[in-house]
Amino acid sequence: DTEVTQTPKHLVMGMTNKKSLKCEQHMGHRAMYWYKQKAKKPPELMFVYSYEKLSINESVPSRFSPECPNSSLLNLHLHALQPEDSALYLCASSLPGRAYNSPLHFGNGTRLTVT
Amino acid sequence: SQQGEEDPQALSIQEGENATMNCSYKTSINNLQWYRQNSGRGLVHLILIRSNEREKHSGRLRVTLDTSKKSSSLLITASRAADTASYFCATPRGTGNQFYFGTGTSLTVIP
Repeated sequence: DTEVTQTPKHLVMGMTNKKSLKCEQHMGHRAMYWYKQKAKKPPELMFVYSYEKLSINESVPSRFSPECPNSSLLNLHLHALQPEDSALYLCASSLPGRAYNSPLHFGNGTRLTVT
Repeated sequence: SQQGEEDPQALSIQEGENATMNCSYKTSINNLQWYRQNSGRGLVHLILIRSNEREKHSGRLRVTLDTSKKSSSLLITASRAADTASYFCATPRGTGNQFYFGTGTSLTVIP
């Protein structure tokens, strides 16, 4: 089991639905991330929050909307997704950036299928 | 975009054998990390090696770093079926705690 908890584990949604992915960590990490991973590919960075402020948006379409309500929680709101958005969505946390990069702690992901 | 290329893409070995996977990257780095991902799960951090280190050990893992060749290798000794997973190298990018992940090596250990 990981120290980063993601819910739900699986999600099937239609293209007109609105849903949210949730991520929670209690390690005191002040940097949190959303990654998208397609099958047999490496994770791709989507968003970075540092001290609850959005610091990086990797030109992600607006149908993905991140939110960081507090230092332990990270949400990803989904609306009007496309079938090609189907993927494993991974949340990660770490200590904030330093001279020597801190390891990322990943959750087990939400497997999203858009129909 | 990614900056790490790993080879081989896939590796299949018998239990008890050693597994070696390689990572090449493009720009100067101050550290390199290796992660493991079991099928359908999140990534797990294995080891971090700093640019002033040439070799590092952790249990059955041995990592080397050659900054002049911009390459790193991960050696898993005496492999077990439980080592079956994908392995990714990760190098820092930009400011803050961001990383490029390599293309990954899929390791299968046959019991």
